Amino acid sequence: ETGVTQTPRHLVMGMTNKKSLKCEQHLGHNAMYWYKQSAKKPLELMFVYSLEERVENNSVPSRFSPECPNSSHLFLHLHTLQPEDSALYLCASSLTGRVGEKLFFGSGTQLSVL
Amino acid sequence: GENVEQHPSTLSVQEGDSAVIKCTYSDSASNYFPWYKQELGKRPQLIIDIRSNVGEKKDQRIAVTLNKTAKHFSLHITETQPEDSAVYFCAARFGTASKLTFGTGTRLQVTL
Repeated sequence: ETGVTQTPRHLVMGMTNKKSLKCEQHLGHNAMYWYKQSAKKPLELMFVYSLEERVENNSVPSRFSPECPNSSHLFLHLHTLQPEDSALYLCASSLTGRVGEKLFFGSGTQLSVL
Repeated sequence: GENVEQHPSTLSVQEGDSAVIKCTYSDSASNYFPWYKQELGKRPQLIIDIRSNVGEKKDQRIAVTLNKTAKHFSLHITETQPEDSAVYFCAARFGTASKLTFGTGTRLQVTL
């Protein structure tokens, strides 16, 4: 297992549920990212945190709410999702100074919204 | 806006042959171009990257070439092996932004 761990690996939720995705990195990185991976689409950047400050919010609907309490942990809080939000959600980390470069990805959370 | 196009979407080669995947980008200010490999059910992993001040970079059987004038870059895999079978994503970073824009991916199948 690499240094970026995501839980849970799989998640099924209804449209009215509230759930959270968790990401933890042990690489000494201080930039963390949420990406969305859908079938036949490019990886889409959702959020970037650098030194625990959100530096990128890529026009993501408010039903997705990120939280970065420290440089090792990143959460994605989910509420009132839509079926089209079903996708693989990937967390990544990197070093500041090279933000956006040499991303280390987690294994992802496969999310299904019913 | 920022755009990265990747071709082909699928590629099948025989073991031992070479494979080439091409990407074009829209913003001439792009300065960083990584390639990621994602095996089935696994996470994307960086395999090689190149900066805009370099025209070519090689690491064993993989190489990346960059043509800034034409705004395209390519991944070359020589002597392909079955374990090279995966989806390959190109990406580009525009300026000093923290955002990488990814291509749509190429599914490479290496057959015996």
